Order: sequence, then C-alpha cells, then structure tokens
Amino acid sequence: DTGVSQNPRHKITKRGQNVTFRCDPISEHNRLYWYRQTLGQGPEFLTYFQNEAQLEKSRLLSDRFSAERPKGSFSTLEIQRTEQGDSAMYLCASSLPQGGRETQYFGPGTRLLVL
Amino acid sequence: AQTVTQSQPEMSVQEAETVTLSCTYDTSENNYYLFWYKQPPSRQMILVIRQEAYKQQNATENRFSVNFQKAAKSFSLKISDSQLGDTAMYFCAFMKHVMRGGSEKLVFGKGTKLTVNP
Repeated sequence: DTGVSQNPRHKITKRGQNVTFRCDPISEHNRLYWYRQTLGQGPEFLTYFQNEAQLEKSRLLSDRFSAERPKGSFSTLEIQRTEQGDSAMYLCASSLPQGGRETQYFGPGTRLLVL
Repeated sequence: AQTVTQSQPEMSVQEAETVTLSCTYDTSENNYYLFWYKQPPSRQMILVIRQEAYKQQNATENRFSVNFQKAAKSFSLKISDSQLGDTAMYFCAFMKHVMRGGSEKLVFGKGTKLTVNP
C-alpha cells in the first residue's frame, strides 16, 4: 500500500451537473477526512469519518454535498447541482489514532473546475 | 474557534542558506498540537514536523526545527541548509486535543510559498 489515493485527479464539469469523487485511504486507517482547498488558501475541513460513521460536518458542507464511507474503507464525496464556487481542490486524508500521535496522510487531491 | 495566521505569503532563499517561516495562532485550548505541512507543486501534502503543546522542548527533524513559544502563540519553522527540493507551499496547522473518537481536524493557515534558488 503506497498511500492515500484519489480519483479522478481532475474533473471539469458544467454548472448544474453532479460530480462524485472517490478516496481510498491507507488500508488500516479507520479515520478519514475531507478538506477543500481554494486558490491562495489553506485546506478547510469539510467532514470526518471514523470507520463508516460520519461524525462531524462543517458548515461549509451545504446540503448539495454528501459524503459516504459505506464499509469503513473507501469514501465518496458527491456534489449535486454544482456551482462555479465549488471549483477547488478536494483533499482526502486518513489516519490511525495513536494516543495523540495521530498523523494525517493526504492524497493528491481532485481538482474540480465548474464552468 | 481556532485561527492560524501565516503573515508571509512568499519567501525565497538561496540554496544552502537558512530560512524561517512564521506562524501565529489563536486558541483558548490548553492541549493541542501544531504542525508544518509541505505541499510541493502538483504533489500531495506531507507532514514536515509536529509539536505537542505540553512539551517545552522544540521539535526537530533533520534540517527542520521549530521555535514554539506557547505564551506568544507563535510557531515558526526553520529550514537549515536549504535544498532545491524544499521549494513548496508550507502550511502551518493547528489541531486541538480531543477525547477518544472525536474529530482531530486540522485548521490551516493560508500558507507561505517558499522558493529555493540555486
């Protein structure tokens, strides 16, 4: 296992279309995070899973966004009715609790462009 | 809510020299962790160094070291003997200590773009 993977790496879509991104975490990691990074900004937290349970969602995650982690392994992030403001890099990270020594490992991201 | 501020949008340094990147943060928490992440161009973010707030000793990782000033809420990164491969965006990040099962989400600054010149 070489790390966190994300697919697709790039996505161009038209406004109003739905898109879905996938994240495959490091196999033994039970925690999974989604972040969004816009140009000139640091990543911002969107949501967090522990195993298959979605335990926290940011206010940034509008009702057009939904995330799942059905078997506690890979996760999907879906954006419905995309808007130009959704254009960003979507980052996934995974981690394994280690008594305060947790390190989040990031994937390469999915860059979304909404036209 | 926690905030992280990186006041240097861009910096440059000559190869083999030393550079310091600044970071300040605001929190009312007493137990937390601080991180520096590196994001090379078109590559994924990787952890450079971490610091536990309860530790007074500054963390070091090879050429990377931090100056952690808890009272001042300051957390700077020093890169010694800069190499061309250090060229990247550097993000300072905060994570509060949470109880078991809680989200340990990272709060990031806006980043500093570091260029190492040959």
